[in-house]
Amino acid sequence: QVQLQESGPGLVKPSQTLSLTCTVSGGSINSGYYYWTWIRQHPGKGLEWIGYIYNSGSNYYNPSLKSRVTISADMSKNQFSLKLSSVTAADTAVYYCARTYSGYVWLLESWGQGTLVTVSS
Amino acid sequence: DIQMTQSPSTLSASIGDRVTITCRASQGTSTWVAWYQQKPGKAPKVLIYKGSSLESGVPSRFSGSGSGTEFTLTITSLQPDDFATYFCQEYNSYSNFGGGTKVEIK
Repeated sequence: QVQLQESGPGLVKPSQTLSLTCTVSGGSINSGYYYWTWIRQHPGKGLEWIGYIYNSGSNYYNPSLKSRVTISADMSKNQFSLKLSSVTAADTAVYYCARTYSGYVWLLESWGQGTLVTVSS
Repeated sequence: DIQMTQSPSTLSASIGDRVTITCRASQGTSTWVAWYQQKPGKAPKVLIYKGSSLESGVPSRFSGSGSGTEFTLTITSLQPDDFATYFCQEYNSYSNFGGGTKVEIK
């Protein structure tokens, strides 16, 4: 059974770049059947797509974040990463990495536990 | 993008109650709707997919129905473990999740 674990700084200063890594075990991110996704949840709010990486290099990003987001993968470490630049307080949220069901782009089967990132000076 | 409007945002209920949560899609989506349950401090998990299919391991008191633009999640007899927040999602295309329904103890 696949497991995902987010890691990265819990505090980021405004205007800096938020960087998170998702380490995957029990499955390969090189599999062409799954989409490896980042989602975030503002405190007490709903869920917001950030984007995904597929087949090691194809991406889709939320149009509202596209200019600031990069999702990449490191096959050798079985990890995928999120970079969000020029952060503001509005980017304070719990960030989840997740994997879709096989063959589905948007249906999320397995999630990490989530990591709270606070943007503050 | 399809927008999902979920109601109510909060629901107070007692153990044993029948609970219904509704999601309305901004355009027709056949049955490509999933329902997730999220408990405090935890990631969401899928309860229902394809409108009415029960995910493996999910109790049969949960059911989903609907097609097109109106979808419903029903819990037939609310149990203590069911107090949580529920989200709908249209997953045939990029779309937002519904805003969530928090089921609270009455």
